[in-house]
Amino acid sequence: DSGVTQTPKHLITATGQRVTLRCSPRSGDLSVYWYQQSLDQGLQFLIQYYNGEERAKGNILERFSAQQFPDLHSELNLSSLELGDSALYFCASSAAGQRAAGNTIYFGEGSWLTVV
Amino acid sequence: AQSVAQPEDQVNVAEGNPLTVKCTYSVSGNPYLFWYVQYPNRGLQFLLKYITGDNLVKGSYGFEAEFNKSQTSFHLKKPSALVSDSALYFCAVILPGNTPLVFGKGTRLSVIA
Repeated sequence: DSGVTQTPKHLITATGQRVTLRCSPRSGDLSVYWYQQSLDQGLQFLIQYYNGEERAKGNILERFSAQQFPDLHSELNLSSLELGDSALYFCASSAAGQRAAGNTIYFGEGSWLTVV
Repeated sequence: AQSVAQPEDQVNVAEGNPLTVKCTYSVSGNPYLFWYVQYPNRGLQFLLKYITGDNLVKGSYGFEAEFNKSQTSFHLKKPSALVSDSALYFCAVILPGNTPLVFGKGTRLSVIA
């Protein structure tokens, strides 16, 4: 158990809908990351937050947004869903910024999203 | 440009034999290198990392990896494979600067009894 908790574990929704994925980082971790894993794209970095502020942005679509709350949990909002958004979405956390020596990034078990 | 490459999509090895999963990187400066494993229907589990210091890094479940700067490689190894090691293995790198963890495409390891 990595200590990173993601909900829901599985989600099936229709095209055009909106969903919210939730993540609780490891106790004490300030950084939260979101990744998307799909068969054709592999593991893609979406976005990182550090202590409530956006720190880095990757290949995140405009239809997707995220935030980190004062209690450090994070939510990833996916809207106007398309079939191609079906993927496993991972949340990860680390103690501080990624370059901080010794910090390891720990991943949750992911949220499986199926868009039908 | 690809920052980290895993040249093999699939590696098959007999139980009890040594295993190697290859990873090469193509970045300047001093990268931080990681290995993660993903078991079926599970999340990514951290195995080991190289930050600095000794080029041979030991990690979880008997795995180790050797950082080779001249060959820009960070191959994952285990002296004696177990059937339970069968999984998807990812090499990852943090590039100089404030960049995210960048993953290779993954290598599926099958250990055959």
